[in-house]
Amino acid sequence: DAGVIQSPRHEVTEMGQEVTLRCKPISGHDYLFWYRQTMMRGLELLIYFNNNVPIDDSGMPEDRFSAKMPNASFSTLKIQPSEPRDSAVYFCASSRGGGLVNTEAFFGQGTRLTVV
Amino acid sequence: AQSVAQPEDQVNVAEGNPLTVKCTYSVSGNPYLFWYVQYPNRGLQFLLKYITGDNLVKGSYGFEAEFNKSQTSFHLKKPSALVSDSALYFCAVRVWPGANNLFFGTGTRLTVIP
Repeated sequence: DAGVIQSPRHEVTEMGQEVTLRCKPISGHDYLFWYRQTMMRGLELLIYFNNNVPIDDSGMPEDRFSAKMPNASFSTLKIQPSEPRDSAVYFCASSRGGGLVNTEAFFGQGTRLTVV
Repeated sequence: AQSVAQPEDQVNVAEGNPLTVKCTYSVSGNPYLFWYVQYPNRGLQFLLKYITGDNLVKGSYGFEAEFNKSQTSFHLKKPSALVSDSALYFCAVRVWPGANNLFFGTGTRLTVIP
C-alpha cells in the first residue's frame, strides 16, 4: 500500500478564499483522523471518522472548517473562508479498527497551508 | 481529562551516548501509549507502542520505551544515539474505555551532536 496520501503538499491562498485539503487513507482502515500542527499549539485533533461517519468534531475550531468522508477511500477538509491564522500543516491519519486502542495510526506527509 | 506531557522541548545528546526523551501521562482508564517520530517535512512515523505485558517495549531503529505505571511515565530510550536520530518525537496515548482519538504531547526536539 502507498500509505496515507494527502494533496496538495503545499497550498498558498489569499485570505477569504476557500481551501480544500484531500486525503486518501490506507485501504482497509476504518478510522480517519484530521490533525493540525502549529508551533504554538502542537498537534491538535480536529475531527475523526469511523466507517465514514464523523464521530468527534469537537476539535474543529470554527464553523469555517468542515470535513467530509463520502466513502471509505476519500476525505476532505474544507476551510471557507480562510484566514491567516489557519496557516499550519494539516495531517491526515488512518488506522484499523477492531482492537482500535491497540493499533497505531499511519500519517500522511501533510499539507502545508499558508494563508496570506 | 486525558493528557500527555513531554517536559522537555529540546534534548541534546552527543553521538554514541544514550538518549532519553521523557513522557508522562494522565488518564482515567487504561492507557495505551505510543511514540512517533517526525523528520523534517514529513508526517509522523510510528516507533513503538505499549499495550500490555512486558513494561519494556522495543521498537524501530533501536528505540525502546519503559512503561512505569506508578510514575505514569513512558520514557523513550536508546543506548547509543545516532546523528540520524535527530528529529521531533511525540508521545501519544489512547484510553480504554473512552474516545478513540489519539492524544499527543507537544513534542521534543532531539538533536544528536556529532
